[in-house]
Parts: sequence; structure tokens; C-alpha cells
Amino acid sequence: SYELTQPLSVSVALGQTARITCGGNKIGSKNVHWYQQNPGQAPVVVIYRDSNRPSGIPERFSGSNSGNTATLTVSRAQAGDEADYYCQVWDSSTWVFGGGTKLTVL
Amino acid sequence: EVQLLESGGGLVQPGGSLRLSCAASEFTFSTFDMSWVRQAPGKGLEWVSIISSSGTSTYYADSVKGRFTISRDNSKNTLYLQMNSLRDGDTAVYFCAKRPLSEGYFDLWGRGTLVTVSS
Repeated sequence: SYELTQPLSVSVALGQTARITCGGNKIGSKNVHWYQQNPGQAPVVVIYRDSNRPSGIPERFSGSNSGNTATLTVSRAQAGDEADYYCQVWDSSTWVFGGGTKLTVL
Repeated sequence: EVQLLESGGGLVQPGGSLRLSCAASEFTFSTFDMSWVRQAPGKGLEWVSIISSSGTSTYYADSVKGRFTISRDNSKNTLYLQMNSLRDGDTAVYFCAKRPLSEGYFDLWGRGTLVTVSS
């Protein structure tokens, strides 16, 4: 079964840029989606198909995907960006999530 | 308001059964594939199952295959998850989620319902 690997935590200074990675075998050949989840709430998609932002998601959120690593970039990080982030792909009729990364804004 | 609302969670003993429901509002429910995703306390997201818009195709995670059954009633705009032979490891918040047409992600989620399996 396909596996996605994320760092447990990433820290970023207020106003700086955070990058959260998602590793998987030839993940660059798949569509990667990213979700933000605040404590006690449902996930919200922030990036779909590698680099597309749904309406209402700030331009500060961007994504890329190549080789064995996909990356979610949060520019000009704000306190409100502090949350858990999950990458996700579709593989062989299953939906696979990464283990999640806690983003801390210092 | 476009929304999903889960219900049916609760405390159940190991080996027991439970049926979850997810009521959809303000969108054409019958058009979209629907899924269940769960999250154990303090853990990450785990996909559980998905059903096609018509209900004719279903897929399951290996961890629940043979024990859980996903179904839907498009006349009632409701998604279901029948959970049998429950184990301690099934304890989680269960979210229902909507899949956009021909996409590989979920664009609308419910708030979740907590299932606790314990003796």
C-alpha cells in the first residue's frame, strides 16, 4: 500500500515562510491535496491537485510536487495558520493520508 | 447552508455494532461520491470507505473490510456506515466527506461523530 511521510512538526517565525513536506514513492506522478485542521474541527482543503487553491484560501498558501516530495508552503505565516496539516493522494481506489504535521507559529 | 451532519456515535462494547448516519443539506447529494474518514484521539486522518454517487460501487480500507458497510439513500440525502465486530482500535471521530466530481480529494466535511469502543 502507498505511504506518505510528513514531519511531525514544523516551526516558523511570525511573518516568515513555512514549508511542510510530504514524501512518497514517485509522488510527483500523483495529484497531492493538502488539508488544514484546527483542534476539534473538521479538515479543510487548502490546496488541491498539487498547487490549486480553493476559493477563500489565502494566496499565502501554495503547493508544489515533484519527484518523491510534495511541499505545502505557507508564506508570511500568521498566528491563525497554526494547525495540523495533512497531505493526501488517491492510489488504487484508496485515499491515503500522510501522518500530519503540526505547524507552530512562533 | 451547504453542510454535512453526522450522527449515531456513542459508546459500544468490543464486538458490538453501531450505525452512523450523515445528513446532507443544500447540494445535490445524489450527484457526488461520499466517503467516511476517521481520526483516533490525538492521531491523524484515516480513510475508511467511499461509495459512488449511485451506490453501486464501494471501496474500503483494509482495516475495516468485512466489518463495515457503507451505503446511501439518495431519496433521503443520507449516507450510512454500518459498523460490526467493533474493536478498541475503531475508537475515533468519524467524519463524512464529499468528493467533488472526478476529483481525488474531499471538499466538504461534517463535524464528525465520536465512536468509543470500550468495555
